[in-house]
Amino acid sequence: DGGITQSPKYLFRKEGQNVTLSCEQNLNHDAMYWYRQDPGQGLRLIYYSQIVNDFQKGDIAEGYSVSREKKESFPLTVTSAQKNPTAFYLCASRSSGTVIEAFFGQGTRLTVV
Amino acid sequence: LAKTTQPISMDSYEGQEVNITCSHNNIATNDYITWYQQFPSQGPRFIIQGYKTKVTNEVASLFIPADRKSSTLSLPRVSLSDTAVYYCLVGSNSNSGYALNFGKGTSLLVTP
Repeated sequence: DGGITQSPKYLFRKEGQNVTLSCEQNLNHDAMYWYRQDPGQGLRLIYYSQIVNDFQKGDIAEGYSVSREKKESFPLTVTSAQKNPTAFYLCASRSSGTVIEAFFGQGTRLTVV
Repeated sequence: LAKTTQPISMDSYEGQEVNITCSHNNIATNDYITWYQQFPSQGPRFIIQGYKTKVTNEVASLFIPADRKSSTLSLPRVSLSDTAVYYCLVGSNSNSGYALNFGKGTSLLVTP
């Protein structure tokens, strides 16, 4: 089954700890994205990557880091420097074609306790 | 990147046609206009994309005037299940990739 998979679905973290959210796609898409969504708010772009070993900061990259060592994988690390990490995190991917159709994973809900 | 402006929220009754307008005054020549739909606790889903004039698919129509500084997503005869947030995006592929900025979207509430 082709798609984009995020794990885990729910994640709890103690303050001061780093945590890594997984995002894997088997759609052979070039571009991948990470977003953060707070209750009642829109999506805010954290990082995106057009090709392997290259990525760009979005609007709210501070306190986050990413890597793109493989085309299929784009993990997001929420570091202790992120002041308010509790949120819903969404990963997406899309091909490089003209149609700007992104496919999203089911999301990871991160709670800092 | 072109900035977009949409209404924060809209209300409609079942069976009505809903039109959501998006302003994008600084749209570039190569930019496309794309609309997404998001239900709670899910990722957004692609609805429709256009460059100019009118585009129609099984879900919606997209109207783009000649100056392309705005666009209107039209949902015919909405049902309760069309209650969602709708996002307008403007952009294109570039050497550094396409940032896909969703903004705050328009929250549509459909009631009986």
